[in-house]
Amino acid sequence: GENVEQHPSTLSVQEGDSAVIKCTYSDSASNYFPWYKQELGKRPQLIIDIRSNVGEKKDQRIAVTLNKTAKHFSLHITETQPEDSAVYFCAATTNTGNQFYFGTGTSLTVIP
Amino acid sequence: SAVISQKPSRDICQRGTSLTIQCQVDSQVTMMFWYRQQPGQSLTLIATANQGSEATYESGFVIDKFPISRPNLTFSTLTVSNMSPEDSSIYLCSYNEVGETQYFGPGTRLLVL
Repeated sequence: GENVEQHPSTLSVQEGDSAVIKCTYSDSASNYFPWYKQELGKRPQLIIDIRSNVGEKKDQRIAVTLNKTAKHFSLHITETQPEDSAVYFCAATTNTGNQFYFGTGTSLTVIP
Repeated sequence: SAVISQKPSRDICQRGTSLTIQCQVDSQVTMMFWYRQQPGQSLTLIATANQGSEATYESGFVIDKFPISRPNLTFSTLTVSNMSPEDSSIYLCSYNEVGETQYFGPGTRLLVL
């Protein structure tokens, strides 16, 4: 089955700096890669996703890049703000398998 | 996306008892799942709740401990049976359509004494 690894496990940045979280996957059949943000005591919520037919997607301060050859994808947050502090999870899945394989999570702290 | 709710939102239970968690979606969905999330940990899939048939359990989870029902396309229950303190966790249900993203319920915080 699919194996998703996520790094780093914790990340602290100064407000206004950029943050990058990286994930690798093992199954070349995976073709959908969502990112979730989980604030303390809340449910995971989708913040951005990318499908295997594109290499990059951007939504305001958040972007995701995908390298299918190397089997890795990354979340980029620019101009970080204290409200970006949360745990971020990457995931990978296929259209047919339907099971989502989650990374181990990254705890991001943005220092004001 | 459909609205997904869970109840109870939290509970404190005595060891040896059972708790049934309900998950309701406000429209019909194909796939429903149950996850466990230990404090500070990632999401661990317990099982896929299949409508009209037995749930599909992941390695390490068994039907006797975590019986699941899916009577229709909008509702599922997870029972945590014969609880021990090790079952203290957050339990999340989720849904998705094939090829689409997964949406999570608000979670049930369970503490077993």
